[in-house]
Amino acid sequence: DGGITQSPKYLFRKEGQNVTLSCEQNLNHDAMYWYRQDPGQGLRLIYYSQIVNDFQKGDIAEGYSVSREKKESFPLTVTSAQKNPTAFYLCASSDSGGLSYEQYFGPGTRLTVT
Amino acid sequence: AQSVAQPEDQVNVAEGNPLTVKCTYSVSGNPYLFWYVQYPNRGLQFLLKYITGDNLVKGSYGFEAEFNKSQTSFHLKKPSALVSDSALYFCALTNAGKSTFGDGTTLTVKP
Repeated sequence: DGGITQSPKYLFRKEGQNVTLSCEQNLNHDAMYWYRQDPGQGLRLIYYSQIVNDFQKGDIAEGYSVSREKKESFPLTVTSAQKNPTAFYLCASSDSGGLSYEQYFGPGTRLTVT
Repeated sequence: AQSVAQPEDQVNVAEGNPLTVKCTYSVSGNPYLFWYVQYPNRGLQFLLKYITGDNLVKGSYGFEAEFNKSQTSFHLKKPSALVSDSALYFCALTNAGKSTFGDGTTLTVKP
């Protein structure tokens, strides 16, 4: 059963703690993406990776970090430097480096930081 | 820089009537344009895309979109709306591997 999995679905953390969100895909896609979704602001790109061991900053990378050590995995760490981390986080993947191929999205992780 | 605009936060239509959800874009070079739909508390699902060729593209669930290069638009359309079409719709642009999404339009179809 192919797809993208994100875990956990809900995550709660105290302010000042780093937290890592998991994203795994078994679609054999080259490219992976992390987005943040806030009400009324659509999706904003945090980081993206077109190939293993390489990734680029998106529009709102400050306070976040990623790694791409394996093709199927693209974990996102929300650091204590992120000033407003409470949000819905979506991971996606696409074939062919994302140039003309649609993205497949995971179910999302809702992070709440208090 | 690239950008996507969805000028309407909300679109309301009656079931059976045609619907249009608007999208305009700005990019250097040739655009790759997409429409996605999001149901509550779920990830996005792909509807359709324009890469090249015919300006009218057809997608899932009876949706279609018209690419207009001179107006830099990519409006989503459906001839006859269903109540089950009610959801949040996003227009997106991909260029050189980077994707930009619009802020989304909430479509409500009333019986």
